[in-house]
Amino acid sequence: RKEVEQDPGPFNVPEGATVAFNCTYSNSASQSFFWYRQDCRKEPKLLMSVYSSGNEDGRFTAQLNRASQYISLLIRDSKLSDSATYLCVVNERTNAGKSTFGDGTTLTVKP
Amino acid sequence: DTGVSQDPRHKITKRGQNVTFRCDPISEHNRLYWYRQTLGQGPEFLTYFQNEAQLEKSRLLSDRFSAERPKGSFSTLEIQRTEQGDSAMYLCASSLPGQGFGEQFFGPGTRLTVL
Repeated sequence: RKEVEQDPGPFNVPEGATVAFNCTYSNSASQSFFWYRQDCRKEPKLLMSVYSSGNEDGRFTAQLNRASQYISLLIRDSKLSDSATYLCVVNERTNAGKSTFGDGTTLTVKP
Repeated sequence: DTGVSQDPRHKITKRGQNVTFRCDPISEHNRLYWYRQTLGQGPEFLTYFQNEAQLEKSRLLSDRFSAERPKGSFSTLEIQRTEQGDSAMYLCASSLPGQGFGEQFFGPGTRLTVL
């Protein structure tokens, strides 16, 4: 079993739709969590951190459930420019060291 | 351009040859990471440096792989006796020191093809 698991998709949604991605992790000692975005043939870029209290950045909302070892990302009012692969990232420490990436969930937003 | 740079961007080599890749992090970033990514998979952690010290190395990394960061600035990743299974994108990332894990800034990667 992979340490970080994501539904690979693809998710094909119309513009304006709300879409949610899930991620589960196996190491209960994991300390810090992120969502990265990777466009086709490009490098990953940070989308947002994930906090226990949940956090929101515009149309994006991230949630963490430590008891269930589960992270989610909600995208509201999808834009064509949201089309990308979304990578869930889990770290064993709070400050530095090994990062474990999921294999990503691919989103295509269609007009 | 003040982002993370990697050289070369593409490398084609024959099985059994040695290859070396270079990563130049963002100048004030003391943390440097190497990852490997294959098609349809997320980046796989290889190793991590803080300044010149290699603090963590993946158990999956064979003895054919070695990384250095001699002066705490640029880093090199060498693969000896390459195998076809080494074909992948090799990504370097750097981050700022300080509290919290911090955003990792990735370079454009070096794509390795082993024939």
